[in-house]
Amino acid sequence: NAGVTQTPKFQVLKTGQSMTLQCAQDMNHEYMSWYRQDPGMGLRLIHYSVGAGITDQGEVPNGYNVSRSTTEDFPLRLLSAAPSQTSVYFCASSYSLDRVLAFFGQGTRLTVV
Amino acid sequence: SQQGEEDPQALSIQEGENATMNCSYKTSINNLQWYRQNSGRGLVHLILIRSNEREKHSGRLRVTLDTSKKSSSLLITASRAADTASYFCATDAYTGANSKLTFGKGITLSVRP
Repeated sequence: NAGVTQTPKFQVLKTGQSMTLQCAQDMNHEYMSWYRQDPGMGLRLIHYSVGAGITDQGEVPNGYNVSRSTTEDFPLRLLSAAPSQTSVYFCASSYSLDRVLAFFGQGTRLTVV
Repeated sequence: SQQGEEDPQALSIQEGENATMNCSYKTSINNLQWYRQNSGRGLVHLILIRSNEREKHSGRLRVTLDTSKKSSSLLITASRAADTASYFCATDAYTGANSKLTFGKGITLSVRP
């Protein structure tokens, strides 16, 4: 099935725990990105990648790590979860240089207690 | 800080009326995009306008871009209850070697039946 697969859908973490949010696409998209969405803040870019082996920081990268070893996968790692990272996370990908995010994952609702 | 800022933050209109939403941005862009988000869902791409374009249409949507004022507007004509959603503008701009897509905080549109 074509599209962006994002897992898990829900997650509760304790402060200090680490975890990885998975994102995979099977459309050979070069551009992939992670956003967090908080009430009243819209979507804020965490990290993005323009191709395998290339990643760059967005607006709010602190506390997050990414890698892009393959074109298909772009995992987001929380190194030591904090309550401020409670949010909804979206992975999105683009097949064009226009950065049209035609494909969004279903979102991960993360709560850090 | 976020590149795009939408205005107004919230808009409530009657079905059949037109809805106009504005977006201002700060730096030079490659293109500007509008997205819709229904409650609890991922974003859906609506329309893209390039920096060398002034106006684009797609169905009941009309987008304008004024690069001299660094602003864009989204007009939804003959609104329907199903248009109730949050709307985001996103700007694609180069920062260093790569371009990235950044979103505004969004506009909440309510269309009353």
